[in-house]
Amino acid sequence: NAGVTQTPKFQVLKTGQSMTLQCAQDMNHNSMYWYRQDPGMGLRLIYYSASEGTTDKGEVPNGYNVSRLNKREFSLRLESAAPSQTSVYFCASRAVPQAPNYGYTFGSGTRLTVV
Amino acid sequence: AQTVTQSQPEMSVQEAETVTLSCTYDTSESDYYLFWYKQPPSRQMILVIRQEAYKQQNATENRFSVNFQKAAKSFSLKISDSQLGDAAMYFCAYRSGDSWGKLQFGAGTQVVVTP
Repeated sequence: NAGVTQTPKFQVLKTGQSMTLQCAQDMNHNSMYWYRQDPGMGLRLIYYSASEGTTDKGEVPNGYNVSRLNKREFSLRLESAAPSQTSVYFCASRAVPQAPNYGYTFGSGTRLTVV
Repeated sequence: AQTVTQSQPEMSVQEAETVTLSCTYDTSESDYYLFWYKQPPSRQMILVIRQEAYKQQNATENRFSVNFQKAAKSFSLKISDSQLGDAAMYFCAYRSGDSWGKLQFGAGTQVVVTP
């Protein structure tokens, strides 16, 4: 089925460990986003990629890095995980920058726990 | 920076009744878009309804409708004839007309539907 695929769905890390969250979309969308969701705070933007080859910081980028590997894939890396990064992470994509306001597709999320 | 405020952490409604969720936002822009997203326990983000700021007519999608008050910067969601399947977290979101598709989310309102 067409959509946004995130892996893994669940992950437990020890403080200081590193990992990469993977995201891939098969809808030929240009823009991709990484959000984190914390209780009582909604979703907050970590990084985004308006088009292949570009990435920019969002609201809460500290402690994260991203790679837009190609048009399909946008990965999020935690170099040295901290307990404050315990959260649910969502990847999303959209057709073109500044396109009509519809067309966002979200992945099913990754629940990350850092102990 | 824009902010989105949802002042109701939780709302309870009986089946077949109506519930209204409030959302206010702060912006100095004239071109923007507003959304309501539903997040059931599955964590999937589902678009409920969207509104373009330049449109005076309130958006409607079946049992879901909005009351968009641009001058007051208010964007409430009305769920009519509530069903058990409407139980979920609901997020209000803002998107600038000239941003690269970045969504700014409110903290969310949990809707509980009782038989």
